[in-house]
Amino acid sequence: NAGVMQNPRHLVRRRGQEARLRCSPMKGHSHVYWYRQLPEEGLKFMVYLQKENIIDESGMPKERFSAEFPKEGPSILRIQQVVRGDSAAYFCASSPGEGARKLFFGSGTQLSVL
Amino acid sequence: AQSVTQPDIHITVSEGASLELRCNYSYGATPYLFWYVQSPGQGLQLLLKYFSGDTLVQGIKGFEAEFKRSQSSFNLRKPSVHWSDAAEYFCAVGDPSNTGKLIFGQGTTLQVKP
Repeated sequence: NAGVMQNPRHLVRRRGQEARLRCSPMKGHSHVYWYRQLPEEGLKFMVYLQKENIIDESGMPKERFSAEFPKEGPSILRIQQVVRGDSAAYFCASSPGEGARKLFFGSGTQLSVL
Repeated sequence: AQSVTQPDIHITVSEGASLELRCNYSYGATPYLFWYVQSPGQGLQLLLKYFSGDTLVQGIKGFEAEFKRSQSSFNLRKPSVHWSDAAEYFCAVGDPSNTGKLIFGQGTTLQVKP
């Protein structure tokens, strides 16, 4: 049973471009969480999704950021018109619906904005 | 406001010495408590967690943590540190409603001297 898969591992974008980060949850997991880790900081919750629904987006920046978790396929975190301050590690975690009791993290995507 | 504080940003210990990493939290009720470890360029690995019951929790890799309600603390300990323990350690709290939405501390970087 593969773990939570995130790709790409590293993503380089120029200012103003779009970044798409993908997260494939563990098999049987229908709940996905996205976290952002800025340099020298801990992880900060961004958004919680179930299949086709956004449950909690209280940690998402109001502009340029969006997330989806379609019925088929991976969850996508999309950042439009990236700025240097978006440079961070983005982690995805998945759960089978038991919340933090069975929460597994991926290895993250390191986004660098030039 | 809910928060997690890890007072020590960096800690250096000699191999074979004992280790204690501090974690204090501010939360309205007794939260779920976690310790994660992150090796360079890697994702998060769960070391141990506390939900209820015995306040001394055993984890992987010889780590343990003790929940002290009166001190709002959940300190991580290991009796004898190995060079491979060098990593960043994060304490986190979760809501008892049991979603995967966690609040992380800033992290403590552990260096191990030979």
